[in-house]
Amino acid sequence: QQQVKQSPQSLIVQKGGISIINCAYENTAFDYFPWYQQFPGKGPALLIAIRPDVSEKKEGRFTISFNKSAKQFSLHIMDSQPGDSATYFCAASIGYGGATNKLIFGTGTLLAVQP
Amino acid sequence: GAVVSQHPSRVICKSGTSVKIECRSLDFQATTMFWYRQFPKKSLMLMATSNEGSKATYEQGVEKDKFLINHASLTLSTLTVTSAHPEDSSFYICSASGLAGGPRETQYFGPGTRLLVL
Repeated sequence: QQQVKQSPQSLIVQKGGISIINCAYENTAFDYFPWYQQFPGKGPALLIAIRPDVSEKKEGRFTISFNKSAKQFSLHIMDSQPGDSATYFCAASIGYGGATNKLIFGTGTLLAVQP
Repeated sequence: GAVVSQHPSRVICKSGTSVKIECRSLDFQATTMFWYRQFPKKSLMLMATSNEGSKATYEQGVEKDKFLINHASLTLSTLTVTSAHPEDSSFYICSASGLAGGPRETQYFGPGTRLLVL
């Protein structure tokens, strides 16, 4: 119940195309869903995050779509660029009385954007 | 804002020695810091959670006597790998949360430390 399932494992997209990465969860107590981007040898960087009371959030070329009833959320990268080539992780957060919030990470998607 | 640093970025040590990794939040006070381990082409595995001034909470299967965590201040946490062995070789990443004005759940990650034990 604590898992976050992520797909696909890898993705190849042409420059200018749309990259779509999907995640699903079981635990309805999750209330915060961030996406992180990680380049080789670097730490993850926060891209965008959403809460379950919103169905969509857009920041620049990055959009999260959230389906609460299906317990699914996805990341859309519009106009994908070679510089977007990285590993993307979805995550979900479950709080413990406001003291600490552990992130449960998906398995990651390796995105390659071809020029 | 929300910059987290780690030191060192890379470390090579001999088997049996101890290695200390520092994690600092440079421009905010982190109420909570987290330590992760990541194997090549794998996801992040949470090792422990620490709050300033209190003992760290370790995840199941993580040896607390081997991975010593100290959270001495709101801007500094350290991870010490004691009596390191080759199987401890990995990429260790810290994160910090608690940025004032931001979502309390948001974790900001450091750049990671590559540990190689010979």
